[in-house]
Amino acid sequence: DAKTTQPTSMDCAEGRAANLPCNHSTISGNEYVYWYRQIHSQGPQYIIHGLKNNETNEMASLIITEDRKSSTLILPHATLRDTAVYYCIVNNAGNMLTFGGGTRLMVKP
Amino acid sequence: KAGVTQTPRYLIKTRGQQVTLSCSPISGHRSVSWYQQTPGQGLQFLFEYFSETQRNKGNFPGRFSGRQFSNSRSEMNVSTLELGDSALYLCASSFQGENTEAFFGQGTRLTVV
Repeated sequence: DAKTTQPTSMDCAEGRAANLPCNHSTISGNEYVYWYRQIHSQGPQYIIHGLKNNETNEMASLIITEDRKSSTLILPHATLRDTAVYYCIVNNAGNMLTFGGGTRLMVKP
Repeated sequence: KAGVTQTPRYLIKTRGQQVTLSCSPISGHRSVSWYQQTPGQGLQFLFEYFSETQRNKGNFPGRFSGRQFSNSRSEMNVSTLELGDSALYLCASSFQGENTEAFFGQGTRLTVV
């Protein structure tokens, strides 16, 4: 079973920041938080991952709470092309990912 | 560099037949995993291969099998196809498989009729 809880869907206005929350209250000390997204009918795309520190790359920022029980993925300026299903995954087993239902993000003009 | 390549992209098979899907990972990646995606069950892990050895296995029947070659290319095979095997089959490669990101191919869409 997936070890994360995410809202089923969210809307965001184009150009605004999209903040996608994820709860992972049973995360263990050596598990990383990963985010992937899947645009319709394509393979999932890696976005970002982190252990306990906040992380930023060219796509997004990842904010992990101090107790590591939740995190937020931030897309700073959402575009229509960011419409996708976003998956939050806690993982310490590398290329063996357990996907939950994810959050369907709809970016609207 | 080239991404993960899966062939074929689309496949139609008849119940009872068998099928082999192929995945070429990113150059230098030694871990290859396979996933099944269906509307009802979502994305489910099938198995992972690392340096030609199956390292992890998901909860699928023995009709689903795979292998990895010395050049890290991988194949998965499904025997005695059932209608419920209709799905998008995705392959992902990563450098060493632990705490590194995985890169997915575009998938093979299998339809069983």
